[in-house]
Amino acid sequence: AQSVTQPDIHITVSEGASLELRCNYSYGATPYLFWYVQSPGQGLQLLLKYFSGDTLVQGIKGFEAEFKRSQSSFNLRKPSVHWSDAAEYFCAVGWSSGAQKLVFGQGTRLTINP
Amino acid sequence: DAGVIQSPRHEVTEMGQEVTLRCKPISGHNSLFWYRQTMMRGLELLIYFNNNVPIDDSGMPEDRFSAKMPNASFSTLKIQPSEPRDSAVYFCASSFTSGGSRNEQFFGPGTRLTVL
Repeated sequence: AQSVTQPDIHITVSEGASLELRCNYSYGATPYLFWYVQSPGQGLQLLLKYFSGDTLVQGIKGFEAEFKRSQSSFNLRKPSVHWSDAAEYFCAVGWSSGAQKLVFGQGTRLTINP
Repeated sequence: DAGVIQSPRHEVTEMGQEVTLRCKPISGHNSLFWYRQTMMRGLELLIYFNNNVPIDDSGMPEDRFSAKMPNASFSTLKIQPSEPRDSAVYFCASSFTSGGSRNEQFFGPGTRLTVL
């Protein structure tokens, strides 16, 4: 079965530090890749997406992600985090050979130390 | 654009009662998804519709759950009878899809369901 893995359940970083959240997906047909963010009590908001083309994609709030086909990865990065980035982050993948649905990772909870 | 609208935002009910959750997708979107989020199981897809037709309901837990989409602007998720283990946040999401394309899903704010 197609799957998405976010190895880190919880990450804590200091404000101003760099951030990388990992996402790996099971091999399959061409993937469509997304990162969503969820603040407490809120729905999920799209940060960025990759469909094709340049493997480094820019998103909102200063986030970027890089698609590495050889590693089946789509890691999320930010050079300098802000206290407002504290939230839960979800990686999601759809496959061209599959139906319209997305498979979500379990999420990574990000805590920011002042 | 008002985004995806869900109602109610919070629902507290007693075991055995019927619960109906409602969703209005973004105008023009033709795919609608129902998810359930719990601490233990994370975000699970329950069912999704394309052009008002249910495409995949393999995530629906059991016969107590049912979903309908009578038109392009409205969907319901019903639990009858409800049980305490159904307590979760239920999200509705919509997207526009055409042919083999994929697009992002836009999520509603969710309905927090508590079954006592």
